[in-house]
Amino acid sequence: SAVISQKPSRDICQRGTSLTIQCQVDSQVTMMFWYRQQPGQSLTLIATANQGSEATYESGFVIDKFPISRPNLTFSTLTVSNMSPEDSSIYLCSVEGDRETDTQYFGPGTRLTVL
Amino acid sequence: DAKTTQPPSMDCAEGRAANLPCNHSTISGNEYVYWYRQIHSQGPQYIIHGLKNNETNEMASLIITEDRKSSTLILPHATLRDTAVYYCIVRPAGKLIFGQGTTLQVKP
Repeated sequence: SAVISQKPSRDICQRGTSLTIQCQVDSQVTMMFWYRQQPGQSLTLIATANQGSEATYESGFVIDKFPISRPNLTFSTLTVSNMSPEDSSIYLCSVEGDRETDTQYFGPGTRLTVL
Repeated sequence: DAKTTQPPSMDCAEGRAANLPCNHSTISGNEYVYWYRQIHSQGPQYIIHGLKNNETNEMASLIITEDRKSSTLILPHATLRDTAVYYCIVRPAGKLIFGQGTTLQVKP
């Protein structure tokens, strides 16, 4: 299975600022995913990031608010822009796993609190 | 993607089998059934998946009904560390869409 790390693990930010979350995986993967988990809720897919192409955003998420970079096959960043308290969530990076089983592996998450 | 229905919560005694049901009556012929779990404050963990046949691995067994409209995840000997939210997801190849899942509480 892939080993995924995220930085930072947690942060407390002020309203109106931006935070960039990094996701690093120990093997090359084509597809990476970003999820949000609001307090007490399930996971919601934000976008799919493939290397060499623009990220594909789910309904309700826009590039201006959540810009994503995917510079190579082992790394991606998600920026949460112009933050408000409603952005307080856990943000999780995920990568495709075994193509035969079509599974996904998840990072440990970044816990964001916006004051 | 097909919608799934799971009970919001279940209890299980430590050492006993935990049977977690999932209804997916609108599942399509090419959609697999996946199970993931999320232990508190961690990223979700893949458990098992199947299409038609029952499946077993080192973590669990997956029983899929013949009409594929429902399935059951079985943890044969639940431990306290199996306390988690369990998600049943049906999907073709592509993105995972999470529902609310079942919170399994394993009690001593």
